Order: sequence, then structure tokens, then C-alpha cells
Amino acid sequence: GAGVSQSPSNKVTEKGKDVELRCDPISGHTALYWYRQSLGQGLEFLIYFQGNSAPDKSGLPSDRFSAERTGGSVSTLTIQRTQQEDSAVYLCASSLRGGVAKNIQYFGAGTRLSVL
Amino acid sequence: SQQGEEDPQALSIQEGENATMNCSYKTSINNLQWYRQNSGRGLVHLILIRSNEREKHSGRLRVTLDTSKKSSSLLITASRAADTASYFCAPDYNQGGKLIFGQGTELSVKP
Repeated sequence: GAGVSQSPSNKVTEKGKDVELRCDPISGHTALYWYRQSLGQGLEFLIYFQGNSAPDKSGLPSDRFSAERTGGSVSTLTIQRTQQEDSAVYLCASSLRGGVAKNIQYFGAGTRLSVL
Repeated sequence: SQQGEEDPQALSIQEGENATMNCSYKTSINNLQWYRQNSGRGLVHLILIRSNEREKHSGRLRVTLDTSKKSSSLLITASRAADTASYFCAPDYNQGGKLIFGQGTELSVKP
């Protein structure tokens, strides 16, 4: 696709349920990032994938959060046993590392997660 | 935290006025980027300034970088109502491509 695609755009779930959020990056982009943005707040880094390297998971807030990237393309962020404090917009971005691109990130529209 | 710190947190101006937003960061950087976010949308890259550059222009945008003070500023000249958005700075600390976004400046341009 032409841009970063995220699905679903909105997700309402009950406390304790698991959710999966999907990100389809720009074709050819080797780097993929997940961020969380709470209402009126800045972006909180969650996890970063770069090519075949081990992901940088340093931003994941708890072991309930995990992410994988299959085939170097699509990524899924999974939140297990959701809590109300997980309610936020989850943003995905991709970038083409190196050269003149210099890590410019292209963002999807986000998934708005509401945990009731 | 290594995130950039934007100042002010909120700014309200009249159409036609200039808007200046500031960003301070912690340690040496590879480059610094500015992004814009319209309400309910993802972020859009605006401009990148390298560590060896002091000023850069793009249309009505002017970015400066002072590495001795570890600060950057974004100036939007002749603002328009359509410039209303949140603006974020993102220092690139050369951590393998990861950017650390600040809390943002919420700009409101009144017609």
C-alpha cells in the first residue's frame, strides 16, 4: 500500500480480554515501531524492529505486552489480560533506514483501544 | 528520560502571526526531527535537521539547532487556521533508528 495501514481503527474490549493490533508497514521499509499515546499525551515508545535484528523491547510496559513481525513485514502487537490503563491510541510507524532517509518515520492512523 | 521537551505545552495565536516552539534534548544527537499531528491522526514528518546544520527552511517552516545548548526551535511564519495541530520534536540519539518523542506543543491558530 501507499502508506502505513493499521487495523482495527477502533477496538473496544472488556477488562481481562486479549487484543491483537495489526500494522502493515510501507513496502520495503525495514524498520517498524510501535508507540502508545494516551489522551492528550506524547508518544511512548514501545518496541522497534529493524530487519532481522533482535527487536528493541525496552519500552514495553509489562510482560502482558508482546509484538512480533512476520516475514519482515506485517507486525502484530498483542496485549494480554487487558487493563483499563491500557486504553490509548496505539500508533505504528515504519522507516527506511540509512541514506538520505535518515530514519524519517511514516505513521499509520492508529488503533484506538478502549478497555471497559 | 531522553525525550525531547517541547515548550510551550500550548500556544494560541491569531491567523497571520508567527508561532515559535522550542525543544530541548539531553545528549548528543545524529539529527533532530519535527512532526505534526492533527487531532485523531498519526504523525506527519515536517523537517529534519542534521547535527552539523544550524538552520533549515521548508516553505513557511524554519528550524534552528543549537547543539551547544542542546535545543531546537520550530518557527511557523504567517500561520493559518489549518496549522492548528500538535507539534513534536524527536531527537535521534543514534540508537539504531529509534526516535524519542516529546510531549508536544499544542498549537491553536484562530481565524
